[in-house]
Amino acid sequence: NAGVTQTPKFQVLKTGQSMTLQCAQDMNHNSMYWYRQDPGMGLRLIYYSASEGTTDKGEVPNGYNVSRLNKREFSLRLESAAPSQTSVYFCASIPNPGLTYEQYFGPGTRLTVT
Amino acid sequence: DAKTTQPNSMESNEEEPVHLPCNHSTISGTDYIHWYRQLPSQGPEYVIHGLTSNVNNRMASLAIAEDRKSSTLILHRATLRDAAVYYCILSGSGGSNYKLTFGKGTLLTVNP
Repeated sequence: NAGVTQTPKFQVLKTGQSMTLQCAQDMNHNSMYWYRQDPGMGLRLIYYSASEGTTDKGEVPNGYNVSRLNKREFSLRLESAAPSQTSVYFCASIPNPGLTYEQYFGPGTRLTVT
Repeated sequence: DAKTTQPNSMESNEEEPVHLPCNHSTISGTDYIHWYRQLPSQGPEYVIHGLTSNVNNRMASLAIAEDRKSSTLILHRATLRDAAVYYCILSGSGGSNYKLTFGKGTLLTVNP
């Protein structure tokens, strides 16, 4: 079991460029989440997907789009990157909210926008 | 959403117990209390959660006040590996709207 994997680990973008952050889990979890963490701060929820085929906005969705491609994969897209999106991005998953409460996190993607 | 309040930082010595406090005075009757920790340069990891009763697992214990307005995460014997940011989080009972809101947490330093 690889758990939650994220690619890439590091990325540098210029302002205005686009990119997609990939997240996959091999634990057959239903719900998946994208967070960002700015220096010295806690994590903030960007988007989440309660189940395959559904997505919902979190606390800070502006400037991002997501796709729940299938049960395993949940991608985060930056259409036109801005320096304010420089952050560490974490993906997480949980088997069945309400039945279990442990959220599993990936190792993160460090994104710098210049 | 109900909020939590934690000290910014705490310090402990290796092999001593650590009590990490969390206040959540506006907790609702169905809110669960979760604790996660984040080691340097890693994603958060689950530590423990509870609703009303005290809980124990291999990592820690969670003591919940009778009125549920505060809780304490107890690490029984701190090790250097326990140095991390500890987050106390409240959540609803689950379902399609289940999500966690992380605050800044408590930075725990463990001295050798």
